[in-house]
Amino acid sequence: EVLLVESGGGLVQPGGSLRLSCAASGFTFSGYEMNWVRQAPGRGLEWLSYISSSGDISYYADSVKGRLTVSRDNAKNSLYLQMNSLRAEDTAVYYCARVGGSGSQHVDYWGQGTLVTVSS
Amino acid sequence: DIQMTQSPSTLSASVGDRVTITCRASQSISSWLAWYQQKPGKAPKLLIYQASTLESGVPSRFSGSGSGTEFTLTISSLQPDDFATYYCQQYNNLWTFGQGTKVEIK
Repeated sequence: EVLLVESGGGLVQPGGSLRLSCAASGFTFSGYEMNWVRQAPGRGLEWLSYISSSGDISYYADSVKGRLTVSRDNAKNSLYLQMNSLRAEDTAVYYCARVGGSGSQHVDYWGQGTLVTVSS
Repeated sequence: DIQMTQSPSTLSASVGDRVTITCRASQSISSWLAWYQQKPGKAPKLLIYQASTLESGVPSRFSGSGSGTEFTLTISSLQPDDFATYYCQQYNNLWTFGQGTKVEIK
């Protein structure tokens, strides 16, 4: 069974930093590309970042470019999101998501999400 | 950037109704489109990818169609478990979601 479990969310002050983790199991993590997606309270889904299976290629949404850094450790089956200079508008549930294989880049599995609250 | 526009934003329907949700892309995305279902407090669930391919385990009352810039998700006979919010997502160039369509009980 594919499992993605996020952790590291919590309350952080504006301007602060946070590192989210996503532990993967039930599949060969090193063979899959991964995404981070967030959802602000009562709002829709927003794609944030992508990382290739080897970790050498990453992309970011314009809204977070320069403040977020995605990385992975295939030996630990883990995905990370380093978030700096956090703002109130970054308050959201953050999901890690697996990019489906077989030549299609849709997201096929999601974690349960971790809540990040940016507030003083 | 590719923008995705869903309509309607909210849809009121009854059990047994045929429901159609539309998603339009700001430029051609070929068939690189997925549909997701999300219930409150839960992660999204993949329903359809590549515009019309049903994900394994998803009931056959769900279907998708379209290519280029216009796409539809159809639920042939709405069931109680289907009241949820639905999102389209393009993955032709990075990833972009539509704003969502909430299907509520009439």
